[in-house]
Amino acid sequence: AQSVTQLDSQVPVFEEAPVELRCNYSSSVSVYLFWYVQYPNQGLQLLLKYLSGSTLVKGINGFEAEFNKSQTSFHLRKPSVHISDTAEYFCAVRVGETSGSRLTFGEGTQLTVNP
Amino acid sequence: DTGVSQDPRHKITKRGQNVTFRCDPISEHNRLYWYRQTLGQGPEFLTYFQNEAQLEKSRLLSDRFSAERPKGSFSTLEIQRTEQGDSAMYLCASSPGVGSNIQYFGAGTRLSVL
Repeated sequence: AQSVTQLDSQVPVFEEAPVELRCNYSSSVSVYLFWYVQYPNQGLQLLLKYLSGSTLVKGINGFEAEFNKSQTSFHLRKPSVHISDTAEYFCAVRVGETSGSRLTFGEGTQLTVNP
Repeated sequence: DTGVSQDPRHKITKRGQNVTFRCDPISEHNRLYWYRQTLGQGPEFLTYFQNEAQLEKSRLLSDRFSAERPKGSFSTLEIQRTEQGDSAMYLCASSPGVGSNIQYFGAGTRLSVL
């Protein structure tokens, strides 16, 4: 069965510092991976996705992630964070072989950017 | 695109009451999903529709929960005889259909059961 583990529940960083949010997955079938961001009292917004092709995926707001099949990881990175990046970040994997299959989410990583 | 719309945004109810939430997906999206998110956790899948057909239900969806999508457009999620453990954020998402892996989420309905 597909599952996702986010290795850090909270990540505090200073503004303009680089950040990495870690995500490991397990899957016995084709892997489709996603990162979503959730601001307080809001729904989830898609940051980026890996479906196939290049293992380095670029998303919105300057975020990128690298799919590493041998390490079963999909870590999210940003070279320089802003106060406005403070939010909860969720890694997710698509369950099942069809394109409409549901997502399984990790427990989330709270990123707090301090001035 | 006006996005996925959910109503109400907040609902406070007493234990034992019934509640109903509504989700309007993005126009012409034929897939619709319901997830539940408790405090400090990631969203958990509840159920999924392709047009009006309910194709998958999670074991989390007890007999007190029912979801419908009668005309393949908006969907409702009803919880009967609410319990305090039902307190959570209920998220709706929609997806265009065949070949699309992206789910677009609404802002959610936050339910508090007193």
